[in-house]
Amino acid sequence: KQEVTQIPAALSVPEGENLVLNCSFTDSAIYNLQWFRQDPGKGLTSLLLIQSSQREQTSGRLNASLDKSSGRSTLYIAASQPGDSATYLCAVPARGTYKYIFGTGTRLKVLA
Amino acid sequence: NAGVTQTPKFQVLKTGQSMTLQCAQDMNHEYMSWYRQDPGMGLRLIHYSVGAGITDQGEVPNGYNVSRSTTEDFPLRLLSAAPSQTSVYFCASSYGTVGEKLFFGSGTQLSVL
Repeated sequence: KQEVTQIPAALSVPEGENLVLNCSFTDSAIYNLQWFRQDPGKGLTSLLLIQSSQREQTSGRLNASLDKSSGRSTLYIAASQPGDSATYLCAVPARGTYKYIFGTGTRLKVLA
Repeated sequence: NAGVTQTPKFQVLKTGQSMTLQCAQDMNHEYMSWYRQDPGMGLRLIHYSVGAGITDQGEVPNGYNVSRSTTEDFPLRLLSAAPSQTSVYFCASSYGTVGEKLFFGSGTQLSVL
């Protein structure tokens, strides 16, 4: 059974820091991995989608990497800003299904 | 292009009442799904659909019904509400099944007293 873990659960950093969020999954047979952002009281917004054949994806100050063999993905945020404060979640489809399994997220606070 | 629209945004029910949470998307997405989000438990899949007329169960389907008569709409029915169904419910859709980005609605906060 696929399980997705995100550590740490919460993170507080000063503005301008580069930071890394971690996502681990137990079954490496995944189609893809998605990173999402969730603001308080809002729905989720897809940030990056990495296909199983890819090693990384970039969008602006965000870079996500995928290492299937070790069951890990990292989301790198460069030059963090207060506007980056949100909860970041990762998700992978369970093997051979259309069912996305989500981690419980990392709650990020960037201090001005 | 409104994306994924959920109604209502807030709802309070009494135990035993039934209701339908609405979800509509205008992106011609084949895949639609319902999640519930609870503190400390993340998002859990309730039901999903890969096209009109096709639905299947997720992790936590008990107490919920779905149907998909059109590509655009995917309502979630609570048959007899229980306090354990107090949660935030999200509808999500994607163009394909597992190879495409998921688009989420803004959620319905449901309280069952």
